[in-house]
Amino acid sequence: QVQLQESGPGLVKPSQTLSLACTVSSDSISSDSYYWSWIRQPAGKGLEWIGRVYTSGSTDYKPSLKSRVTISVDTSKNQFSLKLSSVTAADAAVYYCARASYSYDSSGFDAFDIWGQGTMVTVSS
Amino acid sequence: DIQMTQSPSSLSASVGDRVTITCRASQSIDNYLNWYQQKPGKAPKLLIYAASSLQSGVPSRFSGSGSGTDFTLTIISLQPEDFATYYCQQSSNTPKTFGQGTKVEIK
Repeated sequence: QVQLQESGPGLVKPSQTLSLACTVSSDSISSDSYYWSWIRQPAGKGLEWIGRVYTSGSTDYKPSLKSRVTISVDTSKNQFSLKLSSVTAADAAVYYCARASYSYDSSGFDAFDIWGQGTMVTVSS
Repeated sequence: DIQMTQSPSSLSASVGDRVTITCRASQSIDNYLNWYQQKPGKAPKLLIYAASSLQSGVPSRFSGSGSGTDFTLTIISLQPEDFATYYCQQSSNTPKTFGQGTKVEIK
């Protein structure tokens, strides 16, 4: 059973960089037909997609966050990572990593089927 | 960005009820629509993908329908473990976007 586990500091100071890693277990991160995403959820609010990385290294980001976000993959560690710079209180949230399974065949198949448990990040001095 | 609008934002229902949640996209997304269930303190769980396909292991009382801009999640005979918040999500374009959620509460 594939599992994802987030790791990283739970407390980040304003203006600093939030750094999280997601370790994939029981499967190779390099497997075909997947991409890897970060999604966040402020307390009591809805879900916000931050961005994605393919194992090729290709990325896509939410435009409003693009200037501050970097998502990368390390196949040797079976991990992918999130860096969010210049954080403010608005960046405080539970951060989830997730695997998306998809198909190129226009079937509509593109969904987040495996999620990490989430890690809470607080922004405070 | 494609905006996803769910209705209602919350509803109260009893065990055994039939529940319907709707999701509307701001532009056509064909059938690139997924539904998730989230319980407090837990990660979302995929229920339905490609608008109407049931994810493996999900009970058959859950079903999805729709195409283009209008979609529906139906739960027939609501069970105690179904009280949760439900989100739709479009996967047609980036950025991927979610609806604001529908909280299903016990009447």
